[in-house]
Formats: sequence, structure tokens, C-alpha cells
Amino acid sequence: GNSVTQMEGPVTLSEEAFLTINCTYTATGYPSLFWYVQYPGEGLQLLLKATKADDKGSNKGFEATYRKETTSFHLEKGSVQVSDSAVYFCALRTPPGGTSYGKLTFGQGTILTVHP
Amino acid sequence: EAQVTQNPRYLITVTGKKLTVTCSQNMNHEYMSWYRQDPGLGLRQIYYSMNVEVTDKGDVPEGYKVSRKEKRNFPLILESPSPNQTSLYFCASSLSRGSVNEQFFGPGTRLTVL
Repeated sequence: GNSVTQMEGPVTLSEEAFLTINCTYTATGYPSLFWYVQYPGEGLQLLLKATKADDKGSNKGFEATYRKETTSFHLEKGSVQVSDSAVYFCALRTPPGGTSYGKLTFGQGTILTVHP
Repeated sequence: EAQVTQNPRYLITVTGKKLTVTCSQNMNHEYMSWYRQDPGLGLRQIYYSMNVEVTDKGDVPEGYKVSRKEKRNFPLILESPSPNQTSLYFCASSLSRGSVNEQFFGPGTRLTVL
């Protein structure tokens, strides 16, 4: 079945540092890829998405590029802020062609803490 | 405001006492899901519904039931809760099963089963 693997956390950075959170996936066909963010005490919010190979999703200074050749969707931000402290989830949506069509499969989540 | 609401937000109960967690969305979405979130495991789908009266099992359905009698509501039922169902639960909805637009998540229900 489909799966998503994220880099082990937690990740602790100083403000203005560069952030990379690795995400790789296993899936048949061409899934859509997502990053969700969960702030303390809240539900998940969509951060960015990419629906086909070489697409770049971006939002709030975060970016991720859909790399079909390496089955990856790494999240990056050039300069993190304290307010970026949250849990980040990589996810894929199963493409059409099976009973799992439309299902979201999540990685285990990466806790990011940014210190002033 | 477009939203998914869940109730209760926090619940402590005892083994075997039936409970229901409600979920409601105001966006006329067809597709709704329940997930549980456990440390190191991410979110795992419990059940989903593609429309009224259409529900199906996700990855971890054992010990749970759902119903979808109205489009906006998708309650999660634990007939006989056990301690291994202690978890953080999220309801989510999206326009349709195949929509690549975002799934909207509720704020979560933290359940403790003693």
C-alpha cells in the first residue's frame, strides 16, 4: 500500500535558521502531495500542495517540490520564526484507480521548535 | 465561517461505557473521515464516508462505528471503549473523494479511556 516517511524529529532551530524536513513516499500512479501543519491545541491546516511532478507548492515562505524521480516532497523555509513552531505532516492522496482512491496517507509528523 | 466542529473536545471515560463523538461541517462537503492521531504514528484513518448512507472502513476500524444519515453530520461511536482507544481524534471533510483541494479538519477530541 501507499506510505509516507518523514525525517525523525524533533527538530530544534534558532530563529532565522534554514529549515528542511524530509519526506519520501511510496505510491502507485501519481498521487497528490501535501504538507499540513498542526499548531498546539489545534487541528491540521493545509500548508501547501502539489498535484503533479515538478510542481512547487508554496505558502507563508514554505516551499516543497514534487520530485517524481526521487519520490520526495521535502519541506523548506529559508528563515524560520518562533511562530513556525508546530507539528508538520507530509501526506499523499491516493490517485484514481482503486478502492483507496481519495484516501489521505500521513507521515508520522515532525515536531519543530524554533527558539528566539 | 467554513468549519468542521467536533464535540466534546475532551473526554475521560471508563472501559465499556458507550460514547459518541459528534462531527459536523457547514460546507456541503460529500466526503468525511475520522482519524486518530498517536505519537510516532501520524494520523490513521478509521472510517470514511463518500456521501449520505455510504460509509467504509479505513485502516483502523476495529472498535468503532460511524453513521452518515445527513450530509453535514458524521458521528463516531465507540460501543465499548477500551484503553487502547485513548487517542486524539480528528474529523475531516472535503468537497469530494477525489478532490485535491484541502481537507478541512476539526479541532480534535482528546479521549482518555481508563
